[in-house]
Amino acid sequence: DADVTQTPRNRITKTGKRIMLECSQTKGHDRMYWYRQDPGLGLRLIYYSFDVKDINKGEISDGYSVSRQAQAKFSLSLESAIPNQTALYFCATSDVDISNTGELFFGEGSRLTVL
Amino acid sequence: RKEVEQDPGPFNVPEGATVAFNCTYSNSASQSFFWYRQDCRKEPKLLMSVYSSGNEDGRFTAQLNRASQYISLLIRDSKLSDSATYLCVTQGRGNNRLAFGKGNQVVVIP
Repeated sequence: DADVTQTPRNRITKTGKRIMLECSQTKGHDRMYWYRQDPGLGLRLIYYSFDVKDINKGEISDGYSVSRQAQAKFSLSLESAIPNQTALYFCATSDVDISNTGELFFGEGSRLTVL
Repeated sequence: RKEVEQDPGPFNVPEGATVAFNCTYSNSASQSFFWYRQDCRKEPKLLMSVYSSGNEDGRFTAQLNRASQYISLLIRDSKLSDSATYLCVTQGRGNNRLAFGKGNQVVVIP
């Protein structure tokens, strides 16, 4: 089983719907992140959390919210999905300051399509 | 200016050949540099860190040029299994953030 698990892996939805992407990890890491990847744009950070109840905005947080319910769980919500939120979303974890180690452990990704 | 710039390619490489590519970064204060590998439709995984003195891991060599603000990755004796996208990553502006490039796509041809 993967150490970082994302659900759902694929989702097609309509504009205006609320969507939640869930992430759980068994690595015991305190730090969790949500990224989105778009063709030609690379990975961009949406939100990150260093501990339960710690939430920080990333580069592109508008239109998204997150919840860190437990050390092992970090969920991403789109309150009212729009087509330009169509992307591949990755959850990631790290155990220490990634500026030094650079090592993020990614989930397998959640492909979201908003029609 | 983007934090990390890479030529997406693709870089078509005959099996057994050497391929090299660079990425440039804009944050002159960055102290940390990395290469990630991402296979098609898969998650990125850390390939190697890039040290000031350069470093080698098997057939892979990474170099840092601080004066010109670029890092490079060289792959010797390319294998079919090296086909992937290689993401250049540096310390982003702001705390505890990494800046990812779009990636260099490498296709090793038999």
